[in-house]
Amino acid sequence: QQQVKQSPQSLIVQKGGISIINCAYENTAFDYFPWYQQFPGKGPALLIAIRPDVSEKKEGRFTISFNKSAKQFSLHIMDSQPGDSATYFCAASRDTDKLIFGTGTRLQVFP
Amino acid sequence: EAGVTQSPTHLIKTRGQQATLRCSPISGHTSVYWYQQALGLGLQFLLWYDEGEERNRGNFPPRFSGRQFPNYSSELNVNALELEDSALYLCASSLGTAGTQYFGPGTRLTVL
Repeated sequence: QQQVKQSPQSLIVQKGGISIINCAYENTAFDYFPWYQQFPGKGPALLIAIRPDVSEKKEGRFTISFNKSAKQFSLHIMDSQPGDSATYFCAASRDTDKLIFGTGTRLQVFP
Repeated sequence: EAGVTQSPTHLIKTRGQQATLRCSPISGHTSVYWYQQALGLGLQFLLWYDEGEERNRGNFPPRFSGRQFPNYSSELNVNALELEDSALYLCASSLGTAGTQYFGPGTRLTVL
């Protein structure tokens, strides 16, 4: 019940395309859903986060879509750029307690 | 503003030894979290400290322990090292118990 399932494991997108990463959770007590971006040799950096009282949040080219009834949330990266090539992790927590992370998606954006 | 810092960057130990990893949170942050990022396993929650107290613990054996000092810095100790302890150990800090977690660059622990 504590798991967060993330897909796909890897994603290859052409420059300018849309990258979509999906996550699903089981614990309905989760109320905080962040996405982290991690470059090789670096720690994860917070990209964008959402709470279940909204269905969508947009920050620049990054959008989180949240479906509370389906217990799913996704990250959309519009106009993907080579600099977006990184590993992306979704996570979930209750009251911003310990984060339960998905297994990560390695995104490669080709020019 | 300085971010979360961790030391050392790399640590090489042999089986059975002890490892000590250190973390300095962002100034003003009182909560420190430790995560293990093993190859192919994502990030697994290890420990959470706030105001010097252990608040939560992940599903790891007791040989993983730590503490938080009065200046809110923290250290993670791993005793009786095993080969499978080889991983990137990440520290995160947050402003209080309900804040966003900001991660440091990690300590790469290799157990030979």
